[in-house]
Amino acid sequence: AQSVTQPDIHITVSEGASLELRCNYSYGATPYLFWYVQSPGQGLQLLLKYFSGDTLVQGIKGFEAEFKRSQSSFNLRKPSVHWSDAAEYFCAVGATGGFKTIFGAGTRLFVKA
Amino acid sequence: DAGVTQSPTHLIKTRGQQVTLRCSPISGHKSVSWYQQVLGQGPQFIFQYYEKEERGRGNFPDRFSARQFPNYSSELNVNALLLGDSALYLCASSPDGSLAETQYFGPGTRLLVL
Repeated sequence: AQSVTQPDIHITVSEGASLELRCNYSYGATPYLFWYVQSPGQGLQLLLKYFSGDTLVQGIKGFEAEFKRSQSSFNLRKPSVHWSDAAEYFCAVGATGGFKTIFGAGTRLFVKA
Repeated sequence: DAGVTQSPTHLIKTRGQQVTLRCSPISGHKSVSWYQQVLGQGPQFIFQYYEKEERGRGNFPDRFSARQFPNYSSELNVNALLLGDSALYLCASSPDGSLAETQYFGPGTRLLVL
């Protein structure tokens, strides 16, 4: 069965510092992988997705993620965090050709001035 | 263009009651998916509908049901409400429901069961 693990419940970084949010997945083949962001009172917004090809994926708002098959990981990164990045971040996985998305429990990002 | 809209935004019900939540997809999108997000957890897949047919169902009891109308809007019904049904219910729309297409989420309906 597919599953997603986000090891960090919350992370605090200083504004301007770099960020890496961890995500590990369990799936028999190469899955579809996603990162979403959820700000207070708002719905989920897709940051980026990986289906195949280049393992480094660029997304919106300056985010990128790298797919590492050997580690079953899809970590999200940003070189310089802004205060407006404070939100909940969800990693998600889906079966190739499927329609069901499995979400991790999320990592809450706090940004300190 | 308007995004995905959901109504109501908030709802308070009592155990044993029934509730109906509504979702209007982005214009041109034929697929709607429903998710339940309990506080402190990630969204859990409940249903997907495409062209008015149920395409898939998550691990939820039969108290949860849904339907999609000819205009592609959708309703989620929950019967015999339990305290554990308290959650944010999210609706997402996409052109055809495949994961290759981006899902667009609505702001959700927050349900509190007392």
